[in-house]
Amino acid sequence: EVQLVESGGDVVQPGGSLRLSCAASGFSFSTYSMTWVRQAPGKELEWISYIRGRSTDISYADSVKGRFTISRDNAKNSLYLQMNSLRVDDMAVYYCARVGLGYYSMDVWGQGTTVTVSS
Amino acid sequence: EIVLTQSPGTLSLSPGERATLSCRASQSVSSSYLAWYQQKPGQPPRLLIYGASTRATGIPDRFSGSGSGTDFTLTITRLEPEDFGVYYCHLYGSSPLFTFGPGTKVDIK
Repeated sequence: EVQLVESGGDVVQPGGSLRLSCAASGFSFSTYSMTWVRQAPGKELEWISYIRGRSTDISYADSVKGRFTISRDNAKNSLYLQMNSLRVDDMAVYYCARVGLGYYSMDVWGQGTTVTVSS
Repeated sequence: EIVLTQSPGTLSLSPGERATLSCRASQSVSSSYLAWYQQKPGQPPRLLIYGASTRATGIPDRFSGSGSGTDFTLTITRLEPEDFGVYYCHLYGSSPLFTFGPGTKVDIK
């Protein structure tokens, strides 16, 4: 079964850091590009970061550029998001998603992990 | 920057009715990279349509996508009670790299 499982969400103070993980199974992880998408409470989906299969291409939304770092370990079938200088407006459910081959749609999603930023 | 606009914001329909959801891009885009997702409360999004018109694996044939250029449509023929939720259109290849529309909420009467 193709599956993505996020972890690492927590309550953190403004200015703090957090590292999210996404464990992949059931497919050839290194073949696929991966993304992180977040959703603030009651809000729409927001794409925040993308990484190609061999980490040769990385991209960020302007809202997180310079604060967040995406990475992956293909040997461990894992995707990561290092989040620094967290702000109240970073509070959201964070999803990892697989990017489908050829069409760049997000064809597999995890259940999400919740990041709360509060003092 | 390409902006996606979805209409209507909310659609209230009865089971068996037809739903027509619109997604408009602020400039012409490649239909190859236009997708639609369904999201129910407390769940992650689910891919419905990619390449503007191709149903994803396991998606019933009452869902169909069409369009090109700046105007795209998701049609749900014969609404089922389980079709309630928010529907998002999505585009790859612009700046930012991926863009989501604001969503259309489908309420089942």
